[in-house]
Amino acid sequence: DVKVTQSSRYLVKRTGEKVFLECVQDMDHENMFWYRQDPGLGLRLIYFSYDVKMKEKGDIPEGYSVSREKKERFSLILESASTNQTSMYLCASSLFVIGGDNEQFFGPGTRLTVL
Amino acid sequence: SQKIEQNSEALNIQEGKTATLTCNYTNYSPAYLQWYRQDPGRGPVFLLLIRENEKEKRKERLKVTFDTTLKQSLFHITASQPADSATYLCALRRGSTLGRLYFGRGTQLTVWP
Repeated sequence: DVKVTQSSRYLVKRTGEKVFLECVQDMDHENMFWYRQDPGLGLRLIYFSYDVKMKEKGDIPEGYSVSREKKERFSLILESASTNQTSMYLCASSLFVIGGDNEQFFGPGTRLTVL
Repeated sequence: SQKIEQNSEALNIQEGKTATLTCNYTNYSPAYLQWYRQDPGRGPVFLLLIRENEKEKRKERLKVTFDTTLKQSLFHITASQPADSATYLCALRRGSTLGRLYFGRGTQLTVWP
């Protein structure tokens, strides 16, 4: 079974702090994704990566950066946390096979509160 | 930009009935559509995929249809059970987007006994 783990289930930070969210997958997937999920807004893509050191902006990249130094690990960085970044953050990974299902496997999520 | 709409935020049905959830999309034709289930406080879990050249796909009590003319997918749960209560998300993948998915906001299904 694919396993996607996230470093924390719950996190409380103060405004202006630099925040690191870590995600690790154990199935050698090429693609990794960071989403945030807010009530009424659904899943919104922040960044994704299709290979080591490669990244693409999603729909809401402002205020975030990412790092992918190893294939299994994808980090989301909040450079200076703000209260409007309080949210549930979900990491996902998938294969990228032409013609394949390429379903995404999600981690359990990190509920981040910025005070 | 890609837009995906799921027909309603909430759907309540009685146990044993068929639940039907709708997903409509605009602007681009997807290579395929996926459906996910999400329980409170957890990440979504993949259920089914249907490709652009397929009309229908089944898995146990689940059925998905895909109408590219209407730009719509329907997701059916037959003989629904209270354990089917969850939020269901549709997601589409365009042919040229390196595997990223575009998600709808989800429909919260409640099955009552």
